[in-house]
Amino acid sequence: DGGITQSPKYLFRKEGQNVTLSCEQNLNHDAMYWYRQDPGQGLRLIYYSQIVNDFQKGDIAEGYSVSREKKESFPLTVTSAQKNPTAFYLCASRYNRGHQPQHFGDGTRLSIL
Amino acid sequence: AQTVTQSQPEMSVQEAETVTLSCTYDTSESNYYLFWYKQPPSRQMILVIRQEAYKQQNATENRFSVNFQKAAKSFSLKISDSQLGDTAMYFCAFMNADKIIFGKGTRLHILP
Repeated sequence: DGGITQSPKYLFRKEGQNVTLSCEQNLNHDAMYWYRQDPGQGLRLIYYSQIVNDFQKGDIAEGYSVSREKKESFPLTVTSAQKNPTAFYLCASRYNRGHQPQHFGDGTRLSIL
Repeated sequence: AQTVTQSQPEMSVQEAETVTLSCTYDTSESNYYLFWYKQPPSRQMILVIRQEAYKQQNATENRFSVNFQKAAKSFSLKISDSQLGDTAMYFCAFMNADKIIFGKGTRLHILP
């Protein structure tokens, strides 16, 4: 079955460490997105990528980095510069043609030790 | 910049009742899409219903329907014959050419 796979489901980070969240899709979608979800905040866009080897900052990109070397993959690195990384992270993808809806992965919960 | 507002942070209704979740948005664009997503306790985001701005007819998906008022920039979701499995966070979303913007959500509790 086609879908979006995020791993790991739970992730713990020590102070000062970088961690990378994985997002892989086999839907042949063009665009991929990373969102952060905090209680009462809804979903906030971190980064997005419309095509391979290109990506744009979203509303809260500081302290995060991404790469898009393959169409299927859009990993998110939470750097030590992100001072409050504890949150639920959602990856999404969609076709760029028309106004197709986003499809979401199951999310990764990141916590600070 | 576009904004999406969900004015009801939390709601509770009895099972089998009908409930309406409100959503308003602000945009100067004429071509856009609107969506309602459901996020149950499992936290998976599930697309419930979508509406094209150029269509006057309100979208319907089984027990879920919308009341789309383009001039008023309103996009409410009606859930008929509510079920316990409808308990979830519901997010209204606006999409233009390249980005989708989410409201802050309404937490809906269906009571037995």
